[in-house]
Amino acid sequence: DTAVSQTPKYLVTQMGNDKSIKCEQNLGHDTMYWYKQDSKKFLKIMFSYNNKELIINETVPNRFSPKSPDKAHLNLHINSLELGDSAVYFCASSQVFGGETQYFGPGTRLLVL
Amino acid sequence: RKEVEQDPGPFNVPEGATVAFNCTYSNSASQSFFWYRQDCRKEPKLLMSVYSSGNEDGRFTAQLNRASQYISLLIRDSKLSDSATYLCVVNDGGFKTIFGAGTRLFVKA
Repeated sequence: DTAVSQTPKYLVTQMGNDKSIKCEQNLGHDTMYWYKQDSKKFLKIMFSYNNKELIINETVPNRFSPKSPDKAHLNLHINSLELGDSAVYFCASSQVFGGETQYFGPGTRLLVL
Repeated sequence: RKEVEQDPGPFNVPEGATVAFNCTYSNSASQSFFWYRQDCRKEPKLLMSVYSSGNEDGRFTAQLNRASQYISLLIRDSKLSDSATYLCVVNDGGFKTIFGAGTRLFVKA
């Protein structure tokens, strides 16, 4: 059983396109996150959701819009993709908000051409 | 100063060696500390939490020094399978969990 799953695993697209990445967790956790890991391998938080509500929105361009239809899902929609958006995007979840172990999905490798 | 800083390495060690990683953090109000492990092209996974009294899990020992604001990870009797990137992770006492850039370890036969 996969605890945190993401689709797609790979995404290759052209500049200017709009794309979505989906995330689901079956752990019953209250909190979900999106992280971006760039080519230098630095993992940076983008968004945190607790009980479907946005808690943290780091300095991320508003082309990125997260949506949480329920506690088990957190999707990421990206408009007008740019070359600099190429990275690995990880979804994660934790039982409660702040300080708890986070469980990561396998990542979505996005390449913008 | 970065919020969480680690020596990026890489550390190249032979099997059986003992290796130590340090990590410093800038926010003195930080409350929770962790070491995660990330294998190449995989997701990060929790290795261990770090407690004020220090804690050990098999060959791995984690220490926290709040006065100096650093965390350490000691790996004894290194195995080939320990080759990975080790991420220092700090919760800022509020809503944010901050990952260090990671220290790469290569264990050679």
